[in-house]
Amino acid sequence: QKEVEQNSGPLSVPEGAIASLNCTYSDRGSQSFFWYRQYSGKSPELIMFIYSNGDKEDGRFTAQLNKASQYVSLLIRDSQPSDSATYLCAVNVHGAGNKLTFGGGTRVLVKP
Amino acid sequence: DADVTQTPRNRITKTGKRIMLECSQTKGHDRMYWYRQDPGLGLQLIYYSFDVKDINKGEISDGYSVSRQAQAKFSLSLESAIPNQTALYFCATSDAGGRQETQYFGPGTRLLVL
Repeated sequence: QKEVEQNSGPLSVPEGAIASLNCTYSDRGSQSFFWYRQYSGKSPELIMFIYSNGDKEDGRFTAQLNKASQYVSLLIRDSQPSDSATYLCAVNVHGAGNKLTFGGGTRVLVKP
Repeated sequence: DADVTQTPRNRITKTGKRIMLECSQTKGHDRMYWYRQDPGLGLQLIYYSFDVKDINKGEISDGYSVSRQAQAKFSLSLESAIPNQTALYFCATSDAGGRQETQYFGPGTRLLVL
């Protein structure tokens, strides 16, 4: 079992709709969770992080964390064609010196 | 100017050649990382360094070595390149910050080993 799992997609979303991305992790010691966006051929850029159970909102993005069920999700509201990218979930296990373990990423396609 | 730079940005080399990828940062961060990314896959950690005197192996260090020349510089070497090392390589930096510690990535080096 991979430590961090994501559906590879592509997740096709109409413009203006909500895109919902999920990520599950295996290590219950995981403390911090990060979502990165990566355009094709470019470097990952941080969207947001979360470390407490519940929701965290930042603009059109909402991260949701459920440690009991070991999943973290990302919602993109009012999806735009510019949101078309691969979204990487990364997990930091406490005590692991901030080594991040990445999922394989979910490719999102927003269609006008 | 970019905070994290990588050179070269693209490189084609032949099997058996030694190659060095360089990373420099102006963010003042102590921690630096090297990752590789294969098409359609996430990032895999090769090596990381929490300060100049600290070097640690990551998930996939075989066939690679690193050098931390200064706080701002972290180089990755392939002593004898092989075709399955063809990948996109990223350098990243972070500053110690507990649960909120965030890694910032360079633009990447695309390496092709023939």
